Amino acid sequence: DSGVTQTPKHLITATGQRVTLRCSPRSGDLSVYWYQQSLDQGLQFLIQYYNGEERAKGNILERFSAQQFPDLHSELNLSSLELGDSALYFCASSSEADTQYFGPGTRLTVL
Amino acid sequence: GENVEQHPSTLSVQEGDSAVIKCTYSDSASNYFPWYKQELGKGPQLIIDIRSNVGEKKDQRIAVTLNKTAKHFSLHITETQPEDSAVYFCAATFYNQGGKLIFGQGTELSVKP
Repeated sequence: DSGVTQTPKHLITATGQRVTLRCSPRSGDLSVYWYQQSLDQGLQFLIQYYNGEERAKGNILERFSAQQFPDLHSELNLSSLELGDSALYFCASSSEADTQYFGPGTRLTVL
Repeated sequence: GENVEQHPSTLSVQEGDSAVIKCTYSDSASNYFPWYKQELGKGPQLIIDIRSNVGEKKDQRIAVTLNKTAKHFSLHITETQPEDSAVYFCAATFYNQGGKLIFGQGTELSVKP
């Protein structure tokens, strides 16, 4: 158990809908990272937050957004969902300039 | 751009044999290289990492080597066991860019009893 929690574990929704994925980092970690894992693209970095502020952005679609709250938990919002958004979404956390620990992931299925 | 190439994509070994997975990276500024093991239905689990000021690191049956000049690093697993079967990912990062991990494509390791 990495200490990073993610909810929900599974999410099934329809095209055009909006969903929110939640992540709670390890105790004391200020950084939260979001990654997408799909069969064709592998593990891809989406976005990083550090202590509530966006720090780095990767290949994140404009339909996707994220935020980190004062209690350091983070949410990834995915809107106008398309079939191709079906994937595993992982959250990772780290203390500054240190190892990233991954959560168990949320499996998103868009029908 | 930033890229990490990982080989082989699949690897099958007999129990007790060694397994080697190799990665190359494109960004010479990369300074941190973790390896993750991912079992079916689970998130990536860190198994070992190495920083750019070190050439080799070992933890029991697992070792990682880094050649900064050639921009490649390798994972070595000795005395493999069936429970080592999983997908292994290498990654590289440059902390001044926020620490985002650039992952290799993964290696599916199968250890046959």
